[in-house]
Amino acid sequence: QPQLQESGPGLVKPSETLSLTCTVSSDSVNRGSYYWGWVRQPPGKGLEWIGSVYNGGSTSYNPSLKSRVTISVDTSRNQFSLNLSSVTAADTAVYFCARQGSGNWRYYFDYWGQGILVTVSS
Amino acid sequence: DIQMTQFPSSLSASVGDRVTITCRASQDIREDLGWYQQKPGRAPKRLIHAAYVLQSGVPSRFSGRGSGTEFSLTITSLQPEDFATYYCLQYNTYPPTFGQGTKVEIK
Repeated sequence: QPQLQESGPGLVKPSETLSLTCTVSSDSVNRGSYYWGWVRQPPGKGLEWIGSVYNGGSTSYNPSLKSRVTISVDTSRNQFSLNLSSVTAADTAVYFCARQGSGNWRYYFDYWGQGILVTVSS
Repeated sequence: DIQMTQFPSSLSASVGDRVTITCRASQDIREDLGWYQQKPGRAPKRLIHAAYVLQSGVPSRFSGRGSGTEFSLTITSLQPEDFATYYCLQYNTYPPTFGQGTKVEIK
């Protein structure tokens, strides 16, 4: 089964760009038509899908964040990354990377990373 | 976006109790509904997909039902390890959306 691990800075200043990477093992980010995505969870709150990358570089984003989000994939390193620009305190959250299904299952999350807390503060 | 209304937001129960959590979708999502369990500091763990299909390894005291807009997760004979927060997820329509969560606490 795939293993996913998030990495990146735990503290980002307001107005700057949050950058995280998800390293995948025991699977390939370039395999078939699976989607690879990001989900976040503000402290004490619920889950929000941020967006996904699939098919070697195509992307799908949550409309609520679309103007600030970029997700990319590095197949040589078997990683995918999240950039979220112009962050504010409201972007403070645990960020999870996850594998999603394919086809009709493309928005279903089956395997998750452990999550990484990112705090936005000066 | 499809809104997922989940209730109750929290409940207190005792070991051995039967509990039911409900999720209501703002439009028809067929059976494209999953349930997840999350414990503090951990990633969500999948329990059920396709509304009622139990994930391999999940105890049979968990069950799901529903279709269209009304769904439920039932835990029969609550065990100590079941105290957690539960989320529903609709994956029928872009963007995927989660319910607000139900925290199951020890009475």
